[in-house]
Amino acid sequence: AQSVTQLDSHVSVSEGTPVLLRCNYSSSYSPSLFWYVQHPNKGLQLLLKYTSAATLVKGINGFEAEFKKSETSFHLTKPSAHMSDAAEYFCVVSDRSGGANSKLTFGKGITLSVRP
Amino acid sequence: NAGVMQNPRHLVRRRGQEARLRCSPMKGHSHVYWYRQLPEEGLKFMVYLQKENIIDESGMPKERFSAEFPKEGPSILRIQQVVRGDSAAYFCASSPLGTGGQNYGYTFGSGTRLTVV
Repeated sequence: AQSVTQLDSHVSVSEGTPVLLRCNYSSSYSPSLFWYVQHPNKGLQLLLKYTSAATLVKGINGFEAEFKKSETSFHLTKPSAHMSDAAEYFCVVSDRSGGANSKLTFGKGITLSVRP
Repeated sequence: NAGVMQNPRHLVRRRGQEARLRCSPMKGHSHVYWYRQLPEEGLKFMVYLQKENIIDESGMPKERFSAEFPKEGPSILRIQQVVRGDSAAYFCASSPLGTGGQNYGYTFGSGTRLTVV
C-alpha cells in the first residue's frame, strides 16, 4: 500500500520569496516520486521526478525536490516565487514493485498563491 | 508529436444519460490510465488498459462505469445513467510500452470536465 500526505492545503507567498511545499509518503516498496502542477482548468504537467538516482532532483521552472528516505519526505522548493507559479501542486508516489502495472497515488494537492 | 488528446474538453449530461469520454494516447504509447478528480481532491486511479486488455480496474466503480482500449482508435471511458455525483474532471494518461511510467513519468491529457445536471 502507498499513500501521500500533503499537510498544507494552501500556501501563500510573496513574489520573489522562497517556496516550500511539503510532501510525505509511505510505500511498501522503493517508490518513484513525482510532483505535478495543474493550472486552473488545465491538465497536469510533470515538474520533476525521483526514480532512485540522485536524491536532489531538479525540475522545470526552477523547482527542485529532495528525497529523504529517513524522513519519508519529498518536499518541493523554489528559491524565488513568480506570479506564474500560482497553481495547484500534487505530490505523487508510484509503487515500482508492479513494474508496468504501477499506479500513481496522488496527494490532495496544495494551492499555491503568489502575492505581488 | 501531439500529446495525450482528450475530448470533449467539457461535457454536460442530464441525469440518466450516457457519457463517453475519449482518450488518444501519445504516439508510441500503448498503456492508458484513467483518473478521476473530484472537487477539492487529488486524482484517483480508475483503470489501466493496454490495447484490447484491461490490466487493472481496481479503481472503477462496480456499476455503470466501463472502459475499453480497442486495437484501433482511442480509449473510451463510458458512464451509463450518469448521476450528479459523477460530475468531475476525468484525466487520461499514457506511457510507453514496458515502462509503466514509474521511471518515465506519465503524460496526462488536459482532461474532460463532466457536469451532470
